Amino acid sequence: GAVVSQHPSWVICKSGTSVKIECRSLDFQATTMFWYRQFPKQSLMLMATSNEGSKATYEQGVEKDKFLINHASLTLSTLTVTSAHPEDSSFYICSARRGETTTDTQYFGPGTRLTVL
Amino acid sequence: DAKTTQPNSMESNEEEPVHLPCNHSTISGTDYIHWYRQLPSQGPEYVIHGLTSNVNNRMASLAIAEDRKSSTLILHRATLRDAAVYYCILRADRGSTLGRLYFGRGTQLTVWP
Repeated sequence: GAVVSQHPSWVICKSGTSVKIECRSLDFQATTMFWYRQFPKQSLMLMATSNEGSKATYEQGVEKDKFLINHASLTLSTLTVTSAHPEDSSFYICSARRGETTTDTQYFGPGTRLTVL
Repeated sequence: DAKTTQPNSMESNEEEPVHLPCNHSTISGTDYIHWYRQLPSQGPEYVIHGLTSNVNNRMASLAIAEDRKSSTLILHRATLRDAAVYYCILRADRGSTLGRLYFGRGTQLTVWP
């Protein structure tokens, strides 16, 4: 299957700092990438959808100025958590979709665990 | 987004078949039924998807009811590595939510040796 990587796999930062998480599709070009957040013992929550070269579409309730998404190429999307606070501590997961047909599936990265002190 | 209903948890013994049910009574004609599974501290893994007909792949089988209001994921011989949270998701392939996956609570599958 297709491979999606995330970097870093975990990060600890101080409150008020910004953290950037990278998501790469290693063996295919991703027309669309997605970002999710998962709190302990909860399900994944879709945060935003991004297409290469255009602005991300955020889900209702997700602050676009807080979670900056850049999808600069067909293999790389980044999520920047700006001015992070302890309540932003979570497991952030990206996924990439190869195309737009009904047979295309999403391939998920391994996740990035963010801890804000 | 159309919703799905799954049991919170299920148990199975190793090497026995497992049938994971999912109800989706409000499914629309263009929604595909997708199944993913997630192990602890990992990203979800694609399992299978279908529209109307039953589907088989190397991981599992998907049985879809004739009225499409329910489906069942079948693991033919459960192994310890199949212990995970299984998510049944309706994916819209038209409209404003094209291609997006909205995860519900899923079913925690426990496999006993």
